[in-house]
Amino acid sequence: QVQLQESGPGLLKPSETLSLTCAVSGGSVSSGSHYWSWIRQPPGKGLEWIGYIHYSGTTNYNPSLKSRVTISIDTSKNQFSLKLRSVTATDTAVYYCARVPYAIYFDYWGQGTLVTVSS
Amino acid sequence: EIVLTQSPGTLSLSPGERATLSCRASQSVTSSCLAWYQQKPGQAPRLVIYSASSRATGIPDRFSGSGSGTDFTLTISRLEPEDFAVYYCQQYGSSSVTFGQGTRLEIK
Repeated sequence: QVQLQESGPGLLKPSETLSLTCAVSGGSVSSGSHYWSWIRQPPGKGLEWIGYIHYSGTTNYNPSLKSRVTISIDTSKNQFSLKLRSVTATDTAVYYCARVPYAIYFDYWGQGTLVTVSS
Repeated sequence: EIVLTQSPGTLSLSPGERATLSCRASQSVTSSCLAWYQQKPGQAPRLVIYSASSRATGIPDRFSGSGSGTDFTLTISRLEPEDFAVYYCQQYGSSSVTFGQGTRLEIK
């Protein structure tokens, strides 16, 4: 059973960089058929895809966030990470990591971690 | 970017009734690239249907998906108490992923 667990700071100030890590167990981030993704959900709102990465290094980002986002992968630690620069209050959300077979749909999700941006 | 519009916004039904949720796309979506998720309060979304009509692992057969092109439907044949939740559709196309805004299925 694949499990994903997000970790990182829960409180940031405006203009700082959000950094989260997703640790994967029960499966390998080096699987050729799977991509690894970040999705976020502002409080009381819907889901927004942030981007995904393949172990080969291929990445794909939401055009609305592309200028501020970097997703990286560490196969030796079986984990992947998210960096979102220059955060504002509108980046306050629960951030989820997920596995993405063939880059199409999200079959395993982490429990999510709330990140709040406030001065 | 493909925009997904879900209807209705809220659906009020009783246990045992049939639920029909709609997802309409602004452009044609490849059927293999359309999925549905269930989300309960305080929980991560759970994959229910992928490739428009395939049930995910562990999903009861009262859940079914159908549709093609720009119109897709999630049907729950007989609602159980645990089915009341928010449902999202999601598509992958042109190297981008989008979600619908969600349908809240509530107990009448």
